[in-house]
Amino acid sequence: EPEVTQTPSHQVTQMGQEVILRCVPISNHLYFYWYRQILGQKVEFLVSFYNNEISEKSEIFDDQFSVERPDGSNFTLKIRSTKLEDSAMYFCASSEQGQGDGYTFGSGTRLTVV
Amino acid sequence: ELKVEQNPLFLSMQEGKNYTIYCNYSTTSDRLYWYRQDPGKSLESLFVLLSNGAVKQEGRLMASLDTKARLSTLHITAAVHDLSATYFCAVDKTGNQFYFGTGTSLTVIP
Repeated sequence: EPEVTQTPSHQVTQMGQEVILRCVPISNHLYFYWYRQILGQKVEFLVSFYNNEISEKSEIFDDQFSVERPDGSNFTLKIRSTKLEDSAMYFCASSEQGQGDGYTFGSGTRLTVV
Repeated sequence: ELKVEQNPLFLSMQEGKNYTIYCNYSTTSDRLYWYRQDPGKSLESLFVLLSNGAVKQEGRLMASLDTKARLSTLHITAAVHDLSATYFCAVDKTGNQFYFGTGTSLTVIP
């Protein structure tokens, strides 16, 4: 069964550093998303991406964050100047048709900011 | 902002028993999803409910959607230990983002 692949599975970074989280969506999917889950809390939307641009973003997704699809297969989330409160599990997801067919989530990247 | 509430937040039940998890949401939507999450793992899609009155079943789990009441239920029949996990409902209002519920942590006791 097709999977969404995320790397690394765990990233530890020092406060103030920049991190890039990588995702390879399912190959025929056109809609891409990033969500995050702070430990023990609910899953929160960050951003959606379609046709090489951001479709929607949440209040969490401020200037500290950016997304990019640098080639035909990767989808990245960059977090600049990381803060302690950025520590969370970050999930990438993709969808074939966007509305209505649900997402396939990746296995997540656990980001720890120290 | 769309609010999605689940109850109970924590559920401990004995094997063989039945129970229902409730998901209420605050605004009109015809699309609701249920996901399962094991500790430290990703979100596994369980059900996609796309219309009022939709009912879907898979094994011991059955999900339903009442868009007029803004309510979805996840019914567990004859629980087994393997069903222990956290269950999330999610509402898709705009087609571009999910609003997740608070999650229900289910523990099935032998």
